[in-house]
Amino acid sequence: EVQLVESGGGLVQPGGSLRLSCAASGFTFSGNWMHWVRQAPGKGLEWVSRIRGDGDGSSIMYAESVQGRFTISRDNARNTLYLQMDSLRVEDTAMYYCVRAVGAPGKIDCWGQGTLVSV
Amino acid sequence: DIQMTQSPSSLSASVGDRITITCRASQNIGTYLNWYQQRPGKAPKLLIYAESNLQSGVPSRFTGSGSGTDFTLTITGLLPEDFATYYCQQSYGMRWTFGQGTRVEIK
Repeated sequence: EVQLVESGGGLVQPGGSLRLSCAASGFTFSGNWMHWVRQAPGKGLEWVSRIRGDGDGSSIMYAESVQGRFTISRDNARNTLYLQMDSLRVEDTAMYYCVRAVGAPGKIDCWGQGTLVSV
Repeated sequence: DIQMTQSPSSLSASVGDRITITCRASQNIGTYLNWYQQRPGKAPKLLIYAESNLQSGVPSRFTGSGSGTDFTLTITGLLPEDFATYYCQQSYGMRWTFGQGTRVEIK
């Protein structure tokens, strides 16, 4: 069974940092693009960042709202995706979902349960 | 970035109704358009991918159509479990974007 489990969320002061983790299982992690998507309380979905299966830096993209403050990375040996969040702002408060994207054109076919970040 | 605009933002309907949700892209995205359903307190779920392809396990009462900049999601014969929020999402651009969502409520 494909599974994504996020952790690392919590309460942090503005200007602070957090690192989110996403443990993947049930599929070949290194073969898939992975993304982060967030959802502020009572609001819609916002795409945050993406990284290719091999972790190549040229594949990494960020939403303009987090560019320069967030860093996505992955450890394929540990089947884990990360999101380092620095210089956090009140507007970063949201549920953060780790998601798997497959196919071309891409589609998100698996979502984690989310981890809540409160700034 | 490509902007995605959904309409309406919310709608009220009854069990058995046929409803249509529209999604408009700010530029041509071909058929690089997906639809998701989100029930309260749950993670979203993929319904339709590449404009009109039904994700495995999704009932056939959900259909997608369109191309270029204008897309629609139709639900024929609403069931109680269909009352949820629906999002479109483009995967054409380097940065993916979602529509703002359409909440489907029980009339």
